[in-house]
Amino acid sequence: NAGVTQTPKFQVLKTGQSMTLQCAQDMNHNSMYWYRQDPGMGLRLIYYSASEGTTDKGEVPNGYNVSRLNKREFSLRLESAAPSQTSVYFCASTPLTVTYEQYFGPGTRLTVT
Amino acid sequence: DAKTTQPPSMDCAEGRAANLPCNHSTISGNEYVYWYRQIHSQGPQYIIHGLKNNETNEMASLIITEDRKSSTLILPHATLRDTAVYYCIVRVGAGANNLFFGTGTRLTVIP
Repeated sequence: NAGVTQTPKFQVLKTGQSMTLQCAQDMNHNSMYWYRQDPGMGLRLIYYSASEGTTDKGEVPNGYNVSRLNKREFSLRLESAAPSQTSVYFCASTPLTVTYEQYFGPGTRLTVT
Repeated sequence: DAKTTQPPSMDCAEGRAANLPCNHSTISGNEYVYWYRQIHSQGPQYIIHGLKNNETNEMASLIITEDRKSSTLILPHATLRDTAVYYCIVRVGAGANNLFFGTGTRLTVIP
């Protein structure tokens, strides 16, 4: 199993540009999550999807949209990137919402200039 | 969710036990204590969790005080690969659908 994969690994955007971060898991997990991590900070939850067909806001959802495309894939879209969205983005998954361990992907490093 | 307090950094000699403390004085009766670590900007990795009993797995031991206001993560024989940021998190219930990470403790294992 590849676990949780994320693409791209690195991205540089100009202010106002849009892009979609992709996340996929091959563990047949029901729940998926998007976090951001700013330099020297802990992770903050942006959005999560408890199961296919549902999405919910986390702590910092403004400026982002998500799509749970199917059970495997959960994408994060920045419609109009801003420098404040410069961060490392992590995707994670769990078998169910009621579970102890989140499995994280390797992250996408995004810089907005 | 209860807030947690961790020292910003610690050092440990290779081969010795690393004891990472966490204070969670406002923890509620149904809040679990989770520990994750993050090695050099990789995605966080789950280590262990507990409610009120001490727990042990292949990676670490978790000691929770009787009043549950603090806990200690123990890595019994630290190696250089254990150098990482360690996060102590408390979360209501058994679910892990929303983990609030603080800034953690940066553990440096010294040869």
